[in-house]
Amino acid sequence: AQTVTQSQPEMSVQEAETVTLSCTYDTSESDYYLFWYKQPPSRQMILVIRQEAYKQQNATENRFSVNFQKAAKSFSLKISDSQLGDAAMYFCAYKRNYGGATNKLIFGTGTLLAVQP
Amino acid sequence: DAGITQSPRHKVTETGTPVTLRCHQTENHRYMYWYRQDPGHGLRLIHYSYGVKDTDKGEVSDGYSVSRSKTEDFLLTLESATSSQTSVYFCAIRRDGMNTEAFFGQGTRLTVV
Repeated sequence: AQTVTQSQPEMSVQEAETVTLSCTYDTSESDYYLFWYKQPPSRQMILVIRQEAYKQQNATENRFSVNFQKAAKSFSLKISDSQLGDAAMYFCAYKRNYGGATNKLIFGTGTLLAVQP
Repeated sequence: DAGITQSPRHKVTETGTPVTLRCHQTENHRYMYWYRQDPGHGLRLIHYSYGVKDTDKGEVSDGYSVSRSKTEDFLLTLESATSSQTSVYFCAIRRDGMNTEAFFGQGTRLTVV
């Protein structure tokens, strides 16, 4: 069974600094997606970034980038120039790329990020 | 926001009472999901649906049932609520033709006292 592990329950970063959130996963599949979701205090789940396992290039979305290490099964999120609005719970998630409705999202336990002014 | 509406947004109910949560989507996608979010567990799948009257169990389905009589509505029922079902419940959809991420509703905070 696939599992996703986020080993940092809480992190803190100073405004304008850079922070990296860690995520590891376990799977025997070769074709899958990885995601980072952000959950601010509003509770809304917001997709931050997506990575396809077959793409070697690390995904980037503005100040958010990932370090995808397929062999090591590691998928970390780097937030550059941190802003107060980045304060949220961040979830790492995995989904295999086949199987119809059964290719469901599997989530880690989350990392709560605080941004200090 | 993918046109997903969950109702109610908050509910307090007593142990042993039935509770139904509703998820409504405006885009008529096939795949819909119910998750629960608990501290230390992230989000876990309760049930999912791949079409009208087509549903299946997720990893934490005990004590829950679902129904989907119309494409746009996916109902989650707690037959007899227990305190262990106090949680935040999220509905999600996967857009047809997009085998990637899920889009989530705003969540329902359910408290069972």
